[in-house]
Amino acid sequence: NFMLTQPHSVSESPGKTITISCTRSSGSVASNYVQWYQQRPGSSPSTVMYEDNQRPSGVPDRFSGSIDSSSNSASLTISGLKTEDEADYYCQSYYSGTWVFGGGTKLTVL
Amino acid sequence: QVQLVESGGGVVQPGGSLRLSCAASGFTFTGYGMHWVRQAPGKGLEWVAFIRYDGNKKYYADAVKGRFTITRDNSKNTLYLQMNSLRAEDTAVFYCANSPGARLYYMDVWGKGTTVTVSS
Repeated sequence: NFMLTQPHSVSESPGKTITISCTRSSGSVASNYVQWYQQRPGSSPSTVMYEDNQRPSGVPDRFSGSIDSSSNSASLTISGLKTEDEADYYCQSYYSGTWVFGGGTKLTVL
Repeated sequence: QVQLVESGGGVVQPGGSLRLSCAASGFTFTGYGMHWVRQAPGKGLEWVAFIRYDGNKKYYADAVKGRFTITRDNSKNTLYLQMNSLRAEDTAVFYCANSPGARLYYMDVWGKGTTVTVSS
């Protein structure tokens, strides 16, 4: 199996752009889709990206996803940061009957 | 609208049992796989179990294999998690989430969760 590693925390100012990385420990990140979930304080998770770069309806286009085979990682980029984006973000992927989550990244918008 | 509502959480002693339920509405339940995902206090998300749309395929995390059983009743649009031999480390908020059709690799809609506390 593999692990997904995320930075513990990131911070940026409103209006700026932030990128959260998710590095796969073994096997190719391109082999299995990566998803991203947002969890605001005191709330349940919600899906902000699926299949690497697909946004569910209702998720603003300020959110984008990508994968980079050279670094074997996936990224979630949020542009035009708003205070409402402050949350924990989790990446997730799947392999052969196992669903793997990254440890989560706390995004602070200050 | 799509809704998932968990229930059945509570306080249970180590070694005890609990059954969680997840009532689904607003979508065609039989067209979706279903997950249980948990979150220990102050920790990240941990996948627990998955059941295919027809109930004929199930997967479990190693941490719960042999102790937890996932089932579904498609006539009642309800998902279940039977938890036996509970341990302190099972203390968590348990969420159910759905996976559309063949796209079992991701969770689409999540419930608000139900809290399980294992303590003597």
